[in-house]
Amino acid sequence: DIQMTQSPSTLSASVGDRVTITCRASQSISSWLAWYQQKPGKAPKLLIYKASSLESGVPSRFSGSGSGTEFTLTISSLQPDDFATYYCQQYNSYSLTFGGGTKVEIK
Amino acid sequence: EVQLVESGGVVVQPGGSLRLSCAASGFTFDDYTMHWVRQAPGKGLEWVSLISWDGGSTYYADSVKGRFTISRDNSKNSLYLQMNSLRTEDTALYYCAKDRLGSGAFDIWGQGTMVTVSS
Repeated sequence: DIQMTQSPSTLSASVGDRVTITCRASQSISSWLAWYQQKPGKAPKLLIYKASSLESGVPSRFSGSGSGTEFTLTISSLQPDDFATYYCQQYNSYSLTFGGGTKVEIK
Repeated sequence: EVQLVESGGVVVQPGGSLRLSCAASGFTFDDYTMHWVRQAPGKGLEWVSLISWDGGSTYYADSVKGRFTISRDNSKNSLYLQMNSLRTEDTALYYCAKDRLGSGAFDIWGQGTMVTVSS
């Protein structure tokens, strides 16, 4: 199975900060990567698919990049509504896997 | 409104069985691959299984292979997960999720149904 490693596991930031989360795959997954945001008690929400495509309705301050084995999610200017846990997920084979998550906390 | 609603989660003893259901509405159900994803309390997300639009192809995580069976009834816009030989480590909130066509990402999620395996 393809392993997905996210870093950092926790991130403390302030409103207005630029935030970057990294996700590394144990082998190449081309661009088959998605990013999700999850708030406590809620289902995950799709932000980015195919590594860099913004899901409809998601604010443009979210962006994704990368291909192969290294990917990033960037929030250009952190807003109060963005404090949450973020997960990457690969779909390069019929055994999908998620990263361990990155919790974005208020500094 | 596009919606997925899971049901069937309960407390069950180790070794027991359970069937989860997911009712879909607001989209053409039989156009899409569907998934089950779970989340143990306080933990991250774990993909469980997927089924193709016509039910002809199914895939499972190694952790549930041979114990869980995914199925669908397109005439009822419904997705199912039959869970047998349940273990304490299967305790989780189980989500059904719709595949974003052609991307392998999950664009619509239900609210989840809780399965607790405990004696």
